[in-house]
Amino acid sequence: DTGVSQDPRHKITKRGQNVTFRCDPISEHNRLYWYRQTLGQGPEFLTYFQNEAQLEKSRLLSDRFSAERPKGSFSTLEIQRTEQGDSAMYLCASSLWSVSLHFYTFGSGTRLTVV
Amino acid sequence: GDSVTQMEGPVTLSEEAFLTINCTYTATGYPSLFWYVQYPGEGLQLLLKATKADDKGSNKGFEATYRKETTSFHLEKGSVQVSDSAVYFCALGPFYGSARQLTFGSGTQLTVLP
Repeated sequence: DTGVSQDPRHKITKRGQNVTFRCDPISEHNRLYWYRQTLGQGPEFLTYFQNEAQLEKSRLLSDRFSAERPKGSFSTLEIQRTEQGDSAMYLCASSLWSVSLHFYTFGSGTRLTVV
Repeated sequence: GDSVTQMEGPVTLSEEAFLTINCTYTATGYPSLFWYVQYPGEGLQLLLKATKADDKGSNKGFEATYRKETTSFHLEKGSVQVSDSAVYFCALGPFYGSARQLTFGSGTQLTVLP
C-alpha cells in the first residue's frame, strides 16, 4: 500500500457540467474523509465515512454534492451543475479508527477548475 | 465551535535563521494538536503532533509544545533550510474516540532563501 490515491490530479470543467472524483484509501483504514481547500486557506471538512456508512456531512456540502463509499473501499465525490465557486483542491484522507488516537493520511488531492 | 488561528504569512527567512510560526486554538474538551506541511503540488503531510497538555511534538528539527494555559501550539525550528520552504498548517483534532474532525488554520507560507 503506497498511501491514499486520488484521481484525477487535475480537472478542468465548464460551468454547469458534472464531475466525479475518486479516492482509494489505505486498505486497512476504515474511515475516509473528504476536505476542500480553496486558495490560501486551510482544508475544510466536507464529509466522512466509517466503512460504507456516511456518518457526518458539513454545511459546506450543498445538495449538488454527493459522496459514496460502496462496500467500504474506494469513495467517489460527485459535484453536479458545477459553479465557479466550486474551484478548489479536493483532498481525501483515511484513518484507522479505534479507541486510541488515530492519524489521518492525506492524498495529493484533485484540483478542480471550473471555467 | 473549534477554531485555529495562525500567524499570517508569508514568512521569508534566510537559511539557518530561527523560525517561529504562532498558532492558537479555541476548542472544548481535550483536542489533539497537529502541524501539517504542504509542499507545492502535494497533499498534506503530518509534521508533528501532541495529544495532551505540556506534550512536546518534534520531527525533522521542528518542535511544538501543547500549552493548555495559553491555548497555543507554536511551531519552532532552530535553523531552517531551503528545503523547508512550504505551507505549514496548524490543526486540532480528535482524541480518544471523540467525534471531532480535523480543523485547520489558514496556513503560513514559508520561504527560505539561500
